[in-house]
Amino acid sequence: KAGVTQTPRYLIKTRGQQVTLSCSPISGHRSVSWYQQTPGQGLQFLFEYFSETQRNKGNFPGRFSGRQFSNSRSEMNVSTLELGDSALYLCASSPRVQDTEAFFGQGTRLTVV
Amino acid sequence: QKEVEQNSGPLSVPEGAIASLNCTYSDRGSQSFFWYRQYSGKSPELIMFIYSNGDKEDGRFTAQLNKASQYVSLLIRDSQPSDSATYLCAVTGGTSYGKLTFGQGTILTVHP
Repeated sequence: KAGVTQTPRYLIKTRGQQVTLSCSPISGHRSVSWYQQTPGQGLQFLFEYFSETQRNKGNFPGRFSGRQFSNSRSEMNVSTLELGDSALYLCASSPRVQDTEAFFGQGTRLTVV
Repeated sequence: QKEVEQNSGPLSVPEGAIASLNCTYSDRGSQSFFWYRQYSGKSPELIMFIYSNGDKEDGRFTAQLNKASQYVSLLIRDSQPSDSATYLCAVTGGTSYGKLTFGQGTILTVHP
């Protein structure tokens, strides 16, 4: 069974631009969550989707948004990029409704210059 | 107080020894507990999960959970240099529906 697939793996963007990251969960998994990882803050929760509905959201500004499609694939968007948005963005998928193990993709390394 | 706290590292153990990693959490409603391993430059990899009080063993790994003390630990027996990585404790449940809350991680180094 294929794992969680994230694209692209690496991105370099300029301040003020926007970016869209994509995540394809493990087949059969309906929950997709997104995390930001930085050396200073560690792993921080962005949001979680289940059956196309956002069920939970972390403490990030409105520039960070996401969505989930009917096939469970998910995208996250960051608008008006800032230097501080440089991070590893990780997507995780889970098999059941709640409190289940999550499996991470390889991540997208975003660098804002 | 941080929601999930891990013992400060780095932790260095000799090859063949037992490595002990500890984690405490603040939300008494937490229901599920996970240990992830993350190699430098890679994404976190799930190595253990535990839902009930007590011990859970998988190969060289043992997770221990004590909900009354809000404490979860990971023991790695017969540590190998390939176990050298950052170990992340994560919890979910209670009010954090669908959300994993991570500790800051403990860097483990196993030296030959």
